[in-house]
Order: sequence, then C-alpha cells, then structure tokens
Amino acid sequence: DQQVKQNSPSLSVQEGRISILNCDYTNSMFDYFLWYKKYPAEGPTFLISISSIKDKNEDGRFTVFLNKSAKHLSLHIVPSQPGDSAVYFCAASARGYGQNFVFGPGTRLSVLP
Amino acid sequence: DAGVIQSPRHEVTEMGQEVTLRCKPISGHNSLFWYRQTMMRGLELLIYFNNNVPIDDSGMPEDRFSAKMPNASFSTLKIQPSEPRDSAVYFCASSPGLAGVYEQYFGPGTRLTVT
Repeated sequence: DQQVKQNSPSLSVQEGRISILNCDYTNSMFDYFLWYKKYPAEGPTFLISISSIKDKNEDGRFTVFLNKSAKHLSLHIVPSQPGDSAVYFCAASARGYGQNFVFGPGTRLSVLP
Repeated sequence: DAGVIQSPRHEVTEMGQEVTLRCKPISGHNSLFWYRQTMMRGLELLIYFNNNVPIDDSGMPEDRFSAKMPNASFSTLKIQPSEPRDSAVYFCASSPGLAGVYEQYFGPGTRLTVT
C-alpha cells in the first residue's frame, strides 16, 4: 500500500520554463512534507519542506504547494535550469506519532538546454 | 561542515561473504537511519537509532542483517552471509531529532554488489 505516490516517473522541461512535480498521499495523519533531490551516485539532498499549517513555502526558485483537502503537494521550479536535472523524492510524516518519513518512488526531471 | 560519511563507496563481494558498511553521522545529530534503495522497492528504511539506541528495526529484512551504533559518531550495518538479492545502494542518514520530525541528511551511499 503506497502511502506516498509520485505518479510521473519522469518529466522533461525546457530550460527557463517551469517544472511542476507532483506528489499525492493517502494518510490524512501526515502533517509534514519534504522534497529531496538526488543526483546519480550521490545521496538525496534535502530541498524544501512544508508543514500542514501552511499551503505554500518558497525558497528561491523552489516553491512547494500543499492542498490538504486533495492530499496533494507539488514542487514548482522556476526557472528550470539544466543543473536541476535529477530525481526528486517526496516524503511525508505524521510528526506526533514517532514514525519515520514515507518516501515516494521519485520523479526523474530532465531540463533540456 | 562534514556531511554524513559512508564507507566504502563501492563493495563487490561473493555470495556467502560477510559485508560491513560504515557510517559517521553529522556531529550533534542524535538520530541515525539506514536505508536501502533498489529499483523494485525504492528507498526503504532498514533501521533507525535515536541516541545510539535502536528504535525501529522492523525494516531489517532478516537475521542476516544486523546494525550497531556503539557511540554517537559511528554505526555499522552488517550482512552475514550476503546474497545476490542484497545488491543495492545502502544509504546512511542522520537528523538532529526524532524520526519524521526533522529533515534527514544523507550520505553518498555504498553500492553493494553480491555475485
């Protein structure tokens, strides 16, 4: 039973355009969400987080949006750069319950020059 | 600041051999996590330590796998005996607090190949 889903295994975007990566979750107890970026032969790197008390969090070119009623979050990258090409993982947790993050399967983003 | 350090980066071994993976967490972090990444199962948690004590080892596949954290700056994941299906990338991660509360910082991983 996949509690965190990333239904697009891959995404290609032109340099300078917006990249939108999507993530859906099923557990209504989840209240904290993270995005990680992973380059080949490296470990995942924390990118941005959002708590369920917010619906948006922004950090430079990266913005995460949370729609609690739809159990959906998205990561927007504007403008996309070739260096953003990586696998992006969504992760979620229910912070008060002492359980680890549940990771999605990842979406491979390719930013084309 | 040094991040999470893992060694070796690559390990190739024959079936039946013992394999030991090593991890040094970020100084000051009191939680440490071992993950395994495969194409089929994605990123799965094997075991989680808090203050050097194993808190959740429900992800450890079987008795062939064991993990220790003798002090706050070192952990090992041992597979004995190793099998070809153990081939994967193993990540260690650390965080400044409890699981699921703080973001985790990952090491570069150890790519294990068991022939």
